[in-house]
Amino acid sequence: DVKVTQSSRYLVKRTGEKVFLECVQDMDHENMFWYRQDPGLGLRLIYFSYDVKMKEKGDIPEGYSVSREKKERFSLILESASTNQTSMYLCASSLGQKNSPLHFGNGTRLTVT
Amino acid sequence: GENVEQHPSTLSVQEGDSAVIKCTYSDSASNYFPWYKQELGKGPQLIIDIRSNVGEKKDQRIAVTLNKTAKHFSLHITETQPEDSAVYFCAASPLDNYGQNFVFGPGTRLSVLP
Repeated sequence: DVKVTQSSRYLVKRTGEKVFLECVQDMDHENMFWYRQDPGLGLRLIYFSYDVKMKEKGDIPEGYSVSREKKERFSLILESASTNQTSMYLCASSLGQKNSPLHFGNGTRLTVT
Repeated sequence: GENVEQHPSTLSVQEGDSAVIKCTYSDSASNYFPWYKQELGKGPQLIIDIRSNVGEKKDQRIAVTLNKTAKHFSLHITETQPEDSAVYFCAASPLDNYGQNFVFGPGTRLSVLP
């Protein structure tokens, strides 16, 4: 089974802090994704990556950046955390083929105070 | 672009009964439809998927049906058990989707009452 591991289940950060969310997958998947999940808004794509050192903006990239230095690791960075970034963050991976299913991690619940 | 609607938003069934969740999509070019189950405190887990060249797919107590003409697809869970209680999401994938273009439904919260 594919395993997508997010390093933290819960994080509490202060406004203005720089926040790193880490994600590792163990199935040699080419594609990796960061979503945020909010009640009433569903799953929204922040950034994705097709390959090492490559990144593409999703639907809501403002206030975020990403890093993919190794194939198995995809990091989400909040340069200066704000309260409206309080959310559940989900990392996912998939094979580099059309219409391959996404495999999600268990999420990081981030609270910015 | 693609739009996915999902109904009902909440569903309660007695243990042992069947549950049906329906999704409709707008883009006739969409050709891949996964279903995800999200238990409390966990990420979404793929439970079944169907491609547009297939009308129905079964996996034990779970089945998915696809009506391309009407642009809707449904998840059927038979002999429901308490552990089926979760939020279920459908999704549609348009052509040339390498993962960045999945469109998710808003979710259905299923409660299986013992």
